[in-house]
Amino acid sequence: GENVEQHPSTLSVQEGDSAVIKCTYSDSASNYFPWYKQELGKRPQLIIDIRSNVGEKKDQRIAVTLNKTAKHFSLHITETQPEDSAVYFCAASKKNRDDKIIFGKGTRLHILP
Amino acid sequence: DTGVSQNPRHKITKRGQNVTFRCDPISEHNRLYWYRQTLGQGPEFLTYFQNEAQLEKSRLLSDRFSAERPKGSFSTLEIQRTEQGDSAMYLCASSFDGQETQYFGPGTRLLVL
Repeated sequence: GENVEQHPSTLSVQEGDSAVIKCTYSDSASNYFPWYKQELGKRPQLIIDIRSNVGEKKDQRIAVTLNKTAKHFSLHITETQPEDSAVYFCAASKKNRDDKIIFGKGTRLHILP
Repeated sequence: DTGVSQNPRHKITKRGQNVTFRCDPISEHNRLYWYRQTLGQGPEFLTYFQNEAQLEKSRLLSDRFSAERPKGSFSTLEIQRTEQGDSAMYLCASSFDGQETQYFGPGTRLLVL
């Protein structure tokens, strides 16, 4: 089955700097890659996603890149703000099949003042 | 709030007791998913329904776990003879067939003493 690896597990960046979180997946049939943000005690919330037929997607300060050949995908957050502090999960699924999401173990992002 | 709702939000039980959780998906979402999240980990897929049909069950779902979605709307997840290892956050998510985004509920946090 699918396996998603995520690193780093913890990331501290100065406010205003950029943060990058990297993930790999194992199943070449995976074709949909969502990223979720989870604040303490709250539900995971989708922040951005990318399909396998796209190499990059951007939404304001957040961007995601996908390298299908290498089975790598990354989340980039620019101009980080205190409210970006949270746990971020990358994930993979096979859209139009079972759609179940396989999550990475998460990255705890700390934005330092 | 018209999002996914879950009840109860918190449950404390003694080992060996049975517990039941309920999930109400977003109206008209025909796919419903159950995930389990332990501390410091990403959510792990348990099972999913398309309408009232349970289409897949994870190996994580032992014989003590059963899920139902009798009318294709709300779903229940029952754990029989709870064990301390069942302590976790149980998350429900829903989506509409053909759309990728899964919307998560607030979760039910279970503590087995």
